[in-house]
Amino acid sequence: NAGVMQNPRHLVRRRGQEARLRCSPMKGHSHVYWYRQLPEEGLKFMVYLQKENIIDESGMPKERFSAEFPKEGPSILRIQQVVRGDSAAYFCASSPKTGTTSGNTIYFGEGSWLTVV
Amino acid sequence: DQQVKQNSPSLSVQEGRISILNCDYTNSMFDYFLWYKKYPAEGPTFLISISSIKDKNEDGRFTVFLNKSAKHLSLHIVPSQPGDSAVYFCAAIDNLNTGANSKLTFGKGITLSVRP
Repeated sequence: NAGVMQNPRHLVRRRGQEARLRCSPMKGHSHVYWYRQLPEEGLKFMVYLQKENIIDESGMPKERFSAEFPKEGPSILRIQQVVRGDSAAYFCASSPKTGTTSGNTIYFGEGSWLTVV
Repeated sequence: DQQVKQNSPSLSVQEGRISILNCDYTNSMFDYFLWYKKYPAEGPTFLISISSIKDKNEDGRFTVFLNKSAKHLSLHIVPSQPGDSAVYFCAAIDNLNTGANSKLTFGKGITLSVRP
C-alpha cells in the first residue's frame, strides 16, 4: 500500500549547488506532477510528466529547473545553481491514467523541504 | 493573478460545532473542485471533490457545496473534531482546456483550529 514516495525529505544546499529531488509515484500511476509551496503560499503547479515525456512545463522557471520521468526509476526534479529563493517545499503527486474511476483524484507525497543557505 | 481565493487565512471553532471553509474562484472554465487537508511537514491529503455538474457532495462529516453562479464553494465539517485542526486547501481543475493534464490550481489555504 505504498503511496507517493519522495526523497530526500529534507535537503540543505549552499548557494550555487545542485539539488535533486526524487519521486516514485503510486503503483499503477503513470502521471506525475511537481508542485512548489513557498512560505505562506498555496501550492503552485510546476510540471506534469508521463513516462519519458514532459507534457506541461508551464509552471517551471525558465532557467535552472528541469524535470524528467525516465522509463525506469523515479521522477527527478533538478535545480541547478540554487539560490535562497528556491527554498521551499516541493511536492510530487501522481494520478492514474485518465478515464479510470479515480477520475481527477490526485495523490500527493509527503514533500521534500529544500533549504538553501 | 490568484484564480482560487481563500480569503480567510484562519478559522477557530469549538469541538462539536460546524466548521465552514470558504473558497472563491475567478476562472469560469474550472469544472472540478477538490479540498485537501494538510498537516505541518506532510503532503496534502485528498478530502472530497465535486464536479461542476453538481451542487453538493457529501462524505461522512464532510460536505462540499458549489454555487457556480457565484463562483463559490464551501466545505462544511460537522461535527468538528480536534483532529480536524490543519490547513485546508481548495483546488480547481479546468478539464476542458487541460485535457489529460489534471493540473490543480490551489488557493493559499485556511488554517482551521478546533478547540476541545
